[in-house]
Amino acid sequence: ETGVTQTPRHLVMGMTNKKSLKCEQHLGHNAMYWYKQSAKKPLELMFVYSLEERVENNSVPSRFSPECPNSSHLFLHLHTLQPEDSALYLCASSQGLPQGPYRMNTEAFFGQGTRLTVV
Amino acid sequence: GQQVMQIPQYQHVQEGEDFTTYCNSSTTLSNIQWYKQRPGGHPVFLIQLVKSGEVKKQKRLTFQFGEAKKNSSLHITATQTTDVGTYFCAGSGGSQGNLIFGKGTKLSVKP
Repeated sequence: ETGVTQTPRHLVMGMTNKKSLKCEQHLGHNAMYWYKQSAKKPLELMFVYSLEERVENNSVPSRFSPECPNSSHLFLHLHTLQPEDSALYLCASSQGLPQGPYRMNTEAFFGQGTRLTVV
Repeated sequence: GQQVMQIPQYQHVQEGEDFTTYCNSSTTLSNIQWYKQRPGGHPVFLIQLVKSGEVKKQKRLTFQFGEAKKNSSLHITATQTTDVGTYFCAGSGGSQGNLIFGKGTKLSVKP
């Protein structure tokens, strides 16, 4: 138990389906992340929310839509995905701290991940 | 944008041999973190380095942060089969301080 919970753990969806991944953290962190992990690109950053505002997108296709309603919850809405989107989707949270003019983040806690298969 | 490069991508060693993975950033980092992901698991935090030239040890693991705070290394002495997994470095820096992960080094240990 890491304090970060992801549901569902496994998901199989067709290319025309709409589904959502959910992430919940009870650590009081102010930053949450979605990462995609596949054999081709390990730990690819998709989205970052800091203080509930999206600060990084990384040119992710629009078929992935994040939502962060509050500091404890993060969603990833999926629609019209492609087979190449099949991967492990990991959620993480950390605490962002000011460090002079910059920011640094404390250790990231990861959820167990959602294994997504697009058929 | 900020990039974190990690080498090697794969490393196969005989049990008892040493192992080192290297991490390099294109920009100066505020801190660097190391994670281990066991097969079928998720990344788990190992350690964080903040100071220039910092060296930390955890049993057989030695972590270093470069003087310029742009590179880091993880060294494992006398590997064991329990060390198997993928080791990731993650750098934090810039105005947002987002954690950017390297691509990881997958370690396999032959008994």
